[in-house]
Amino acid sequence: EAGVAQSPRYKIIEKRQSVAFWCNPISGHATLYWYQQILGQGPKLLIQFQNNGVVDDSQLPKDRFSAERLKGVDSTLKIQPAKLEDSAVYLCASSNLREDTQYFGPGTRLTVL
Amino acid sequence: GQQVMQIPQYQHVQEGEDFTTYCNSSTTLSNIQWYKQRPGGHPVFLIQLVKSGEVKKQKRLTFQFGEAKKNSSLHITATQTTDVGTYFCAPSNQAGTALIFGKGTTLSVSS
Repeated sequence: EAGVAQSPRYKIIEKRQSVAFWCNPISGHATLYWYQQILGQGPKLLIQFQNNGVVDDSQLPKDRFSAERLKGVDSTLKIQPAKLEDSAVYLCASSNLREDTQYFGPGTRLTVL
Repeated sequence: GQQVMQIPQYQHVQEGEDFTTYCNSSTTLSNIQWYKQRPGGHPVFLIQLVKSGEVKKQKRLTFQFGEAKKNSSLHITATQTTDVGTYFCAPSNQAGTALIFGKGTTLSVSS
């Protein structure tokens, strides 16, 4: 079974630029999560989808962050414009509806200069 | 959401020594999951504890859930260099809900 795929793995941008990350969850997983992990901290939820609907986006900075999962499969997370404090690893995870286990992708490491 | 505190934040041991990390909550937890994140890697699921007083073992790892379901622990017997990483506990309310991670416990092992 293929795992969660994310791209790109690394991205370096300057502040005020925009950036987009892509995630393809494990086949059949209805729930998809985006987490932000700042160095030295645990992952923090940004947004949770179930199929193509948003379940929880309470911690998403909506003035600059957006995410979509139009067909209920893969998802994109966008930051526009980026700030220095957005430097972090962006992790995508997925799970099925029957269990709690979340499977994480390798993450995208974003550096904002 | 349910917040947990993990202690210690960092632990260094000599290879072969035991290691324990504790996860404490001020509220009763429905269940708790443990994840391991290797340096430069992503969190990997280890186990889920659901029942009061539950104890589960995975080779050298022993996981416990307190009787009051307010605390949990992970004990590693005879650490190896492959145990290096950050261990996170994360409570969840029900299947399909997001996890709340603390800072975790970062374990380093010297040979």
